[in-house]
Amino acid sequence: AQSVTQLDSHVSVSEGTPVLLRCNYSSSYSPSLFWYVQHPNKGLQLLLKYTSAATLVKGINGFEAEFKKSETSFHLTKPSAHMSDAAEYFCVVSPSSNTGKLIFGQGTTLQVKP
Amino acid sequence: GAVVSQHPSWVICKSGTSVKIECRSLDFQATTMFWYRQFPKQSLMLMATSNEGSKATYEQGVEKDKFLINHASLTLSTLTVTSAHPEDSSFYICSARDRRGLGYTFGSGTRLTVV
Repeated sequence: AQSVTQLDSHVSVSEGTPVLLRCNYSSSYSPSLFWYVQHPNKGLQLLLKYTSAATLVKGINGFEAEFKKSETSFHLTKPSAHMSDAAEYFCVVSPSSNTGKLIFGQGTTLQVKP
Repeated sequence: GAVVSQHPSWVICKSGTSVKIECRSLDFQATTMFWYRQFPKQSLMLMATSNEGSKATYEQGVEKDKFLINHASLTLSTLTVTSAHPEDSSFYICSARDRRGLGYTFGSGTRLTVV
């Protein structure tokens, strides 16, 4: 069975410091993995996605994530946090089946302090 | 890039009435659309999968007679909440899967409040 676990429900950083949001997945096959961001009362915006190409994936707004098969992880990082990064972040896995269903992590709230 | 338009963005309705939410893919064709419900401070919960020209597939525990889904074309899916009750108040989000397999695009969501 496929699953995804976001290890932190809440992360707080100071503006200008690095961001690390952790995600582990479980998959019987080689999955596609995504990170989405959601601002309050908004839909989800794609930050980046991994689809079995390069293991280090660069996304928008300076975010990147590294796919580590041996650790079944897909952690999201950013070198320097901005106030505008404060939002809810979801790690998502797309199984290899044709159903197209996405499996969502529980989300991580990122707080950025001035 | 791919854009999904969802409206209304918010709606307030009285108990017992029905509300329709539209989800349109503006610049691509979507063979499959997904409808999610999100409670405050929680993740997205898949309600149903909608395929163009066929009946929607509902997740376990979702009442298909209450949440009517229609996917009449490759660019439009609608969710109708029938006989709404206050417990149906929530944030509803749609997602469209590009038929070319290029990924998933989410709508901006609809905040439904039933009074």
